Amino acid sequence: SQQGEEDPQALSIQEGENATMNCSYKTSINNLQWYRQNSGRGLVHLILIRSNEREKHSGRLRVTLDTSKKSSSLLITASRAADTASYFCATVNAGGTSYGKLTFGQGTILTVHP
Amino acid sequence: GAVVSQHPSRVICKSGTSVKIECRSLDFQATTMFWYRQFPKQSLMLMATSNEGSKATYEQGVEKDKFLINHASLTLSTLTVTSAHPEDSSFYICSAVDWTYSNQPQHFGDGTRLSIL
Repeated sequence: SQQGEEDPQALSIQEGENATMNCSYKTSINNLQWYRQNSGRGLVHLILIRSNEREKHSGRLRVTLDTSKKSSSLLITASRAADTASYFCATVNAGGTSYGKLTFGQGTILTVHP
Repeated sequence: GAVVSQHPSRVICKSGTSVKIECRSLDFQATTMFWYRQFPKQSLMLMATSNEGSKATYEQGVEKDKFLINHASLTLSTLTVTSAHPEDSSFYICSAVDWTYSNQPQHFGDGTRLSIL
């Protein structure tokens, strides 16, 4: 079952603008991960943020995690046309029989216009 | 970064055919591999978890006799779709992870587009 809810479902921006995607989840987590998927391809791992972390950066990417609100956000700064893709958040639950398995959100389709 | 190779990338075959998809971790040993199914414009649905040398664990609603998984080594897992029918047409993606270390991301293959005529 899909735990995560992502919004927006689709985002269309101009090159150079920032893109923010949000993800909410329902259960306690061990970590939360963001992945990118180009059309017809596999997923590429972007960032992993642990449950005891609040913010993480990687290049033009910034991820925040608020475990009290069970939410995370992915910010892409100075977007490029090549950033056009679907972005998924995925959570790893804390313990239990589902430990280690990724539960994916529905994804955000980002389109960056040149 | 870690590389996972999935083969073939596309399969078109007749109804009733069995199709085997391979997933290989090229530069690391995968303690666990996962198989997902993705319908158009939807998210990934986990089908099964595969640990090297043991039987796969299937998610609820996934027929284990239909989707045979073998994880014979730390670098190779295979998914066989037996007697495939048009409703099995989908995008299948594998991922691999080395859980020797905690908090490791999954590394994904490029997927296999399966079309059953």
